[in-house]
Amino acid sequence: DSGVTQTPKHLITATGQRVTLRCSPRSGDLSVYWYQQSLDQGLQFLIQYYNGEERAKGNILERFSAQQFPDLHSELNLSSLELGDSALYFCASSVAGTAYEQYFGPGTRLTVT
Amino acid sequence: GENVEQHPSTLSVQEGDSAVIKCTYSDSASNYFPWYKQELGKRPQLIIDIRSNVGEKKDQRIAVTLNKTAKHFSLHITETQPEDSAVYFCAATGGTSYGKLTFGQGTILTVHP
Repeated sequence: DSGVTQTPKHLITATGQRVTLRCSPRSGDLSVYWYQQSLDQGLQFLIQYYNGEERAKGNILERFSAQQFPDLHSELNLSSLELGDSALYFCASSVAGTAYEQYFGPGTRLTVT
Repeated sequence: GENVEQHPSTLSVQEGDSAVIKCTYSDSASNYFPWYKQELGKRPQLIIDIRSNVGEKKDQRIAVTLNKTAKHFSLHITETQPEDSAVYFCAATGGTSYGKLTFGQGTILTVHP
């Protein structure tokens, strides 16, 4: 157990819908990172927040957004969902904002039908 | 941005043999190189990492070597065991990719008893 928690574990929804994924970092960690893992794209970095502020951005779609709250938990919002958004979504956390020593949560498996 | 290439994509060994997985990176300013192990349906788990000021790091049966000049790093697993079977990912960050971990495509390691 890494200490990073994610909810829900599984999510099944229809195309065009909007979902919210939640992540709580390890105690003491200030950075949260979001990743998408699909079979054909591997592990893709989406976005990083550090102490409430956006720090780095990857190839995150405009339909996706995230935020980090004062208690440091983070939410990833996915809207206008498409079949191709079906994937495992992981969050990770680290102490600093440098991307070193990231510990991953158990992931949320999103299925879009 | 950073690009990480990982080889081989699959690796099959007999229990007790050694396994080596290699990665190359493109950004000479990258300075942190972690390795993750991911079992089926589980989260990526950080198993070892190395920073650019170190050439080699060892942790029991696992070692990582870094050649900054050639921009490549390798994972070495000795005395492999069936429980080492998993997907292994290398990654890189730093320099122009500050805050982002760029992952290799993964290596499926199978250790036959």
